[in-house]
Amino acid sequence: EAGVTQFPSHSVIEKGQTVTLRCDPISGHDNLYWYRRVMGKEIKFLLHFVKESKQDESGMPNNRFLAERTGGTYSTLKVQPAELEDSGVYFCASSQRDLGLTGELFFGEGSRLTVL
Amino acid sequence: RKEVEQDPGPFNVPEGATVAFNCTYSNSASQSFFWYRQDCRKEPKLLMSVYSSGNEDGRFTAQLNRASQYISLLIRDSKLSDSATYLCVALTLNNYKLSFGAGTTVTVRA
Repeated sequence: EAGVTQFPSHSVIEKGQTVTLRCDPISGHDNLYWYRRVMGKEIKFLLHFVKESKQDESGMPNNRFLAERTGGTYSTLKVQPAELEDSGVYFCASSQRDLGLTGELFFGEGSRLTVL
Repeated sequence: RKEVEQDPGPFNVPEGATVAFNCTYSNSASQSFFWYRQDCRKEPKLLMSVYSSGNEDGRFTAQLNRASQYISLLIRDSKLSDSATYLCVALTLNNYKLSFGAGTTVTVRA
């Protein structure tokens, strides 16, 4: 069974440009999460989808970030316009069941974003 | 203040040694705890849950102290393959969020 896949694995853009990250969760997983790790810091929550609905987007840094999950399958995270502080690794994760039951999220390998 | 704090290490240990480290959490509403493992430039993966009574999974032992708000992980008979970053994670059930520590790096040498 395929795991969580993310694309691109690495993106280098200039400040002010736009980048769109894509995540394909494990098939059948209704819960999809975006997390971000800035260098040297902890992985931080960005938002949570249940199917196509945003359950919690309290971790989104500002309105330059837009996440979508049309049709409840794959998700995209767009950063527009990108700033230097947006550099980091963006992880997508999915789970089939409520986190409270197992605490297990299945992560993708991440999309490393470098903003110059 | 960070929700989950960990000693970043690194802990450099020889094969066969025992290594232990812990983390503290600040949110008393955190109800469930986990250790995730992350290899270099790979994704985090669940290693084990942490139960109040303490639990073992092979060479790994996890402990939770709710009164002091800390969690520990002990690795016995370390293997080279145990080299990784270990992430301490707390789950708050009222918002279903996982809070991650920055990780403790363990390097096991031959």
